[in-house]
Amino acid sequence: NAGVTQTPKFQVLKTGQSMTLQCAQDMNHNSMYWYRQDPGMGLRLIYYSASEGTTDKGEVPNGYNVSRLNKREFSLRLESAAPSQTSVYFCASRTRGRQLLYGYTFGSGTRLTVV
Amino acid sequence: ELKVEQNPLFLSMQEGKNYTIYCNYSTTSDRLYWYRQDPGKSLESLFVLLSNGAVKQEGRLMASLDTKARLSTLHITAAVHDLSATYFCAGVPILTGGGNKLTFGTGTQLKVEL
Repeated sequence: NAGVTQTPKFQVLKTGQSMTLQCAQDMNHNSMYWYRQDPGMGLRLIYYSASEGTTDKGEVPNGYNVSRLNKREFSLRLESAAPSQTSVYFCASRTRGRQLLYGYTFGSGTRLTVV
Repeated sequence: ELKVEQNPLFLSMQEGKNYTIYCNYSTTSDRLYWYRQDPGKSLESLFVLLSNGAVKQEGRLMASLDTKARLSTLHITAAVHDLSATYFCAGVPILTGGGNKLTFGTGTQLKVEL
């Protein structure tokens, strides 16, 4: 029962480098989300995918792209990393309907530093 | 657009004391969540509140929801050191246009002094 798995857990990038954060869930959830967490600002939604084959922008999408590869996987790509993207990134998933009281499951996070 | 505000942002309290964290939200929310986060860790779900007047309790924590006042509270009874963590509330606007997107408050950093 892995839940939501994020890789990598830690990453240091140089400004201008690109990378992809991976997220996979094994709970057959329909919706998946990417958040970033910065001190004093809570979690802010970057992108989400309400169902397989769809993606939409959240509150802070600039500088990011996403791919919903299949129902299990939802990746976040930084094409040209900037120091402002230094943050902790969380992936989450959610089932449809009243199962689990509309619960959201969060991954363990990726701590990204851009120097 | 749903906005969620928490207060206080920081809370230092002694063991054995009671306190309340407040969560105000700006528009009608379908449901209200409370999460706990320990330093360097992920978010742990505490409560889901689905309707006006809902009250849920787990150990020393009790959460309530007043949809008319657009207010949720997390009450801590007889605090213990193990409750030290950051607590977040989050809401989902009714008319999301799809996605059921969680909107988070800024969090309340709780420190319980021994």
